[in-house]
Amino acid sequence: GAGVSQSPSNKVTEKGKDVELRCDPISGHTALYWYRQRLGQGLEFLIYFQGNSAPDKSGLPSDRFSAERTGESVSTLTIQRTQQEDSAVYLCASSPNTGSNQPQHFGDGTRLSIL
Amino acid sequence: GQNIDQPTEMTATEGAIVQINCTYQTSGFNGLFWYQQHAGEAPTFLSYNVLDGLEEKGRFSSFLSRSKGYSYLLLKELQMKDSASYLCAVKGGTGFQKLVFGTGTRLLVSP
Repeated sequence: GAGVSQSPSNKVTEKGKDVELRCDPISGHTALYWYRQRLGQGLEFLIYFQGNSAPDKSGLPSDRFSAERTGESVSTLTIQRTQQEDSAVYLCASSPNTGSNQPQHFGDGTRLSIL
Repeated sequence: GQNIDQPTEMTATEGAIVQINCTYQTSGFNGLFWYQQHAGEAPTFLSYNVLDGLEEKGRFSSFLSRSKGYSYLLLKELQMKDSASYLCAVKGGTGFQKLVFGTGTRLLVSP
């Protein structure tokens, strides 16, 4: 597609349920990032994927969070046993390659609300 | 690790000039980005610096000093539509590809 696509755009779920968020990066982009943005706050790094290299998971806040990416395409972020503090917008971004000057292109995010 | 500091909020008047500062500490440095984010929207790319000095792009300019761990974004001829959050982000870390954002500076432009 023309841009980074995220689904669903909104998700409301009960505390304790598992959720899966999806990101379709721009075709050909080898780098993919996940961020969390709580209301009125900055972007919190979660994880990034670069080609076939091992992902950098250093930002995942707990073992309830995991992410996968199939090759250089779709990525899914899974949150197990959701808690109210997981409520946030989850943003995905992709960039063309490892070139340092390549900017990230962001999707519109998934707004997650935990009741 | 990577640590980035920006002022939380700034106000300015339409037509004026405003400078938003960013200081950072990082293990490994592979460039500094500025993004603009309007409320409820995704961030959009504004500028990139990897070498010391000033990069100018229309009304927006960005400056970097690697030795000081310091950058600023300069916005000239402010317009009401410039009211937004401005995010400083540093690429570094192991592998030099981890992009970490500051908390952002909320800029309010008044008439």
